[in-house]
Amino acid sequence: GAVVSQHPSWVICKSGTSVKIECRSLDFQATTMFWYRQFPKQSLMLMATSNEGSKATYEQGVEKDKFLINHASLTLSTLTVTSAHPEDSSFYICSASRLAGLTDTQYFGPGTRLTVL
Amino acid sequence: LAKTTQPISMDSYEGQEVNITCSHNNIATNDYITWYQQFPSQGPRFIIQGYKTKVTNEVASLFIPADRKSSTLSLPRVSLSDTAVYYCLVESGETGGFKTIFGAGTRLFVKA
Repeated sequence: GAVVSQHPSWVICKSGTSVKIECRSLDFQATTMFWYRQFPKQSLMLMATSNEGSKATYEQGVEKDKFLINHASLTLSTLTVTSAHPEDSSFYICSASRLAGLTDTQYFGPGTRLTVL
Repeated sequence: LAKTTQPISMDSYEGQEVNITCSHNNIATNDYITWYQQFPSQGPRFIIQGYKTKVTNEVASLFIPADRKSSTLSLPRVSLSDTAVYYCLVESGETGGFKTIFGAGTRLFVKA
């Protein structure tokens, strides 16, 4: 149980285009979903936290107009990288939790490798 | 949020027990300690979570002293496939949700 999927697993796009990454909780309802970014040989950096039906809360330094997050249902959250540039190339990972406001285990997706040419 | 400090890297040999210690001096009363494992180009995988004393599951044990300012992940009889990055996290409950901050992690190299 507690499986999280991401789609696509990798994507290559041209500079200036937008890319959408989906995160789905397959066998549970995710009240809270998180989006992380990870550069090579570095740790995961939390980008934003989203609760179903609410606006996402972005971490300091993360541009909300560039990284659009939608958490429209209890099983799906999407991250759209708008007007992508080569510096946005990274490994994007989502996680999902069943509970909000309480400590619960996060279940991570397999990640999406974004390469912007 | 409680910051965590772990060794950057550790080496071990197959069959040995590995203990990775994490310090979290400003852990709060409602915080839990969670350890994750990450292989290259994969999402982190939950290993174990605890609040105090000792927790054991099929893959690891977690030791937390009474003051909870540190914790030790114990991996019994490691194998080559345990080579990975291990993250110690202090997960905090906050109003409206909680957030998790990953530290640098510990790169474990298991040698034959």
